[in-house]
Amino acid sequence: EVQLLESGGGLVQPGGSLRLSCTASGFSFSSSAMSWVRQAPGKGLEWVSAISSSGDSTSYADSVKGRFTISRDNSKKMLYLQMNSLRAEDTAVYYCAKDSRTSIWLVSLDYWGQGTLVTVSS
Amino acid sequence: QSALTQPASVSGSPGQSITISCTGTSSDVGGYNYVSWYQHHPGKAPKLMIYDVSDRPSGVSDRFSGSKSGKTASLTISGLQTEDEADYYCSSYTVSSTLVFGTGTKVTVL
Repeated sequence: EVQLLESGGGLVQPGGSLRLSCTASGFSFSSSAMSWVRQAPGKGLEWVSAISSSGDSTSYADSVKGRFTISRDNSKKMLYLQMNSLRAEDTAVYYCAKDSRTSIWLVSLDYWGQGTLVTVSS
Repeated sequence: QSALTQPASVSGSPGQSITISCTGTSSDVGGYNYVSWYQHHPGKAPKLMIYDVSDRPSGVSDRFSGSKSGKTASLTISGLQTEDEADYYCSSYTVSSTLVFGTGTKVTVL
């Protein structure tokens, strides 16, 4: 059974940093591209960032480019999101999600975690 | 990276069919056959319902179907059931090698 479990969320002050983690199990993690997607309170889903299966390629939404860094450790089956210079508008539930195919990425996400809440407030 | 445009809400009675539209540009929906649809019950993990415009993952009911014409994709739910009440989001691959989601549609079963 595919499982994705996010952790690391919490309350942080504006300008602060936080690192989210996603623990994967039940599938070939090293063969799957992964994404982070967020949902602000009362808002829709927003794709944040993605990383290729090997970690060689990354992609970011304009809203987080230069502030967030996605990374992965295939030996530990872990996905990370380092979030710096946090703003109030980054407040959201952050989900990690698995790409559905190995041959191409960023086309569909077939498994999602339950999410972790990040609150940016003073 | 503007969000794809969806109606805020769509409603229907049990057994009826409803259709949700998803409008983008030639840089996303109109340029690629990589449109997906997700069902999201609040507090739960989103679920992939349709990928590659019209393909269904294993285990998804055939009451859900997808299509695309030009820059607009559509999700149709046939034989509407109470458990279909949820938020639905489309997404598309973009020319910038990013993913963009739709604004979301709340489906209400009357």
